[in-house]
Amino acid sequence: AQSVTQLGSHVSVSEGALVLLRCNYSSSVPPYLFWYVQYPNQGLQLLLKYTSAATLVKGINGFEAEFKKSETSFHLTKPSAHMSDAAEYFCAVRPGYQKVTFGTGTKLQVIP
Amino acid sequence: DAGVTQSPTHLIKTRGQQVTLRCSPKSGHDTVSWYQQALGQGPQFIFQYYEEEERQRGNFPDRFSGHQFPNYSSELNVNALLLGDSALYLCASSLVQAQERDTEAFFGQGTRLTVV
Repeated sequence: AQSVTQLGSHVSVSEGALVLLRCNYSSSVPPYLFWYVQYPNQGLQLLLKYTSAATLVKGINGFEAEFKKSETSFHLTKPSAHMSDAAEYFCAVRPGYQKVTFGTGTKLQVIP
Repeated sequence: DAGVTQSPTHLIKTRGQQVTLRCSPKSGHDTVSWYQQALGQGPQFIFQYYEEEERQRGNFPDRFSGHQFPNYSSELNVNALLLGDSALYLCASSLVQAQERDTEAFFGQGTRLTVV
């Protein structure tokens, strides 16, 4: 069975600082990996996805993530945090074409 | 394109009652998945419908059932509601194509169900 672990339920960064949200996964088959963002009282919006092409994936709003098979990680980064990045972020794994499993989420706070 | 639409946006039900939530997928999508997101948790997969049949199911009791219509819209039904069923219910749609295995899911805004 697949699983996703997001380290840190809450992360605080200063505006302009590096954002690093951690995600580790387990999967019995080569996975597809996703990062979603959720604003309060909203649904989930896809930030980026890994589909076995390039290991460094660029997404919307300046976010990117790197797939590291040896570390079973898919950490999300952004060089410079903006106030509008404050939201909850979910990492998700889909082994092959099986169901998607989400992590428990990381709330990002951006301090002015 | 209206994207994925869900109705109602909010709902309050009494324990023991039954509820039906509705989802219209993004235009051109043929697959609908339902998720339950409890407060402070990540979404949990309930089930997925394709070609009007349940294709995959998560670890949810039979009180949770669904349906997909010929126009690809879907309903989620929950019987004998429990207090623990209070959550945000999210619908996601995607497109199944034989040669395309990396289809992404588009989510609706969700239905906030409160059981009292």
